[in-house]
Order: sequence, then structure tokens, then C-alpha cells
Amino acid sequence: QKEVEQNSGPLSVPEGAIASLNCTYSDRGSQSFFWYRQYSGKSPELIMSIYSNGDKEDGRFTAQLNKASQYVSLLIRDSQPSDSATYLCAVNFNTGGFKTIFGAGTRLFVKA
Amino acid sequence: ETGVTQSPTHLIKTRGQQVTLRCSSQSGHNTVSWYQQALGQGPQFIFQYYREEENGRGNFPPRFSGLQFPNYSSELNVNALELDDSALYLCASTPRVNGGTDTQYFGPGTRLTVL
Repeated sequence: QKEVEQNSGPLSVPEGAIASLNCTYSDRGSQSFFWYRQYSGKSPELIMSIYSNGDKEDGRFTAQLNKASQYVSLLIRDSQPSDSATYLCAVNFNTGGFKTIFGAGTRLFVKA
Repeated sequence: ETGVTQSPTHLIKTRGQQVTLRCSSQSGHNTVSWYQQALGQGPQFIFQYYREEENGRGNFPPRFSGLQFPNYSSELNVNALELDDSALYLCASTPRVNGGTDTQYFGPGTRLTVL
């Protein structure tokens, strides 16, 4: 059973702080990893994709992947109230047919 | 905006009925995936279509079926609706250039309520 796990939160951080979101996955055959942000009542929007071990930075966001530990994280620097949303970790598999597994999401609150 | 559109926006059905949801992919994208998202949960993968063929399927019963058309638009059909089918149904399109590594771009979703 392929699984993706996230802390459900809520995670509360003050404005300007660093928010750290974590995700673990069970299948070593996982190929690609994504972080999506979802506002209440809206569809997921892509923040970052990462495919190889290490860090990937895009503006205030940094994704980190460690395939040996089956762990992917998202850091949000200088958190803003507008970052308050649910953050979804997603993992793609393409063995025996394509599948994407999402975690249940972590709710983030950034306090002004 | 991702360029992925879905219709209808909202839908109310009764238990036992059948429903068809529609998705228009982003231009140039030949792959479409469908997801079910219940309140407070992450999206659950239903299936993916690549060039009109089912390319992968999640743990959903056969009453969930799909089609992809030559223009890469897609339909999700659900027969014999159950109360638990009430959810947000999301469509995502992908350029399918690099196989399983491609990013998926989501449409706005269809909110289905089963009474």
C-alpha cells in the first residue's frame, strides 16, 4: 500500500517566521514529489516540484528531498498571512500503472 | 489560472442516480487525471487517461468510469450514486512529456452533493 503522510496540524506561526512542513512516503519507487497549496473551497495550486535529492529554492519557498529517508519537506520563509492555507504533499508513481498519492494536508495559520 | 476547465461547478443528485462530470484540458496537454476530495482530506486518485486509454487507476469501484476524447477533453461517470460520493471532484491535466514526473495542473473542481 503506497502511503503519503503529513502532520494534519494546524501549524501556527507568527508573521515573518519560517514555517516548516513535512511529508513522508512509503514507496521507494516514488518518482516525483510536489507541494500544492489549497485555499478553502478552491482547487490545489502548485508551489514546488522536486525530483532529486537535495534542496530546491523558489522565492520564499524551499523544498527538500531525501530519498534514503523517504522524506520531503517545504520551508516557507518570511511567512505572510496570505500563506494561511492547507499544504498538500503529493507523490507520483509510475510502476504498474500511473498513480498519484496525496497526503491529507497540513493546515498552516500565519498570525499577523 | 491553469487553463483547465470543469463543468458543472455544482451538482446535486439523489442516491442511485448517475452523473457525468466534464473536463477540458490545458492546451497541449494529452493526459488527464481525476480525483475525489472529501471534506478535510487530500485528493484521492481515481484514474488517469493518456491518449484516450486508461493509464492508471486508484482504489475506486467500477461504477467510476471515464473517457478521454481525441481533443484530450475528458468525462468522469459515476453510476449508482451513494451518499459517500459527495465530494469535490478535481480534474488535472499534464503535458506527459516525461512520464511520471510531469506536473499536474488542476481545474476548479465540481462540487457534487448526493442526497
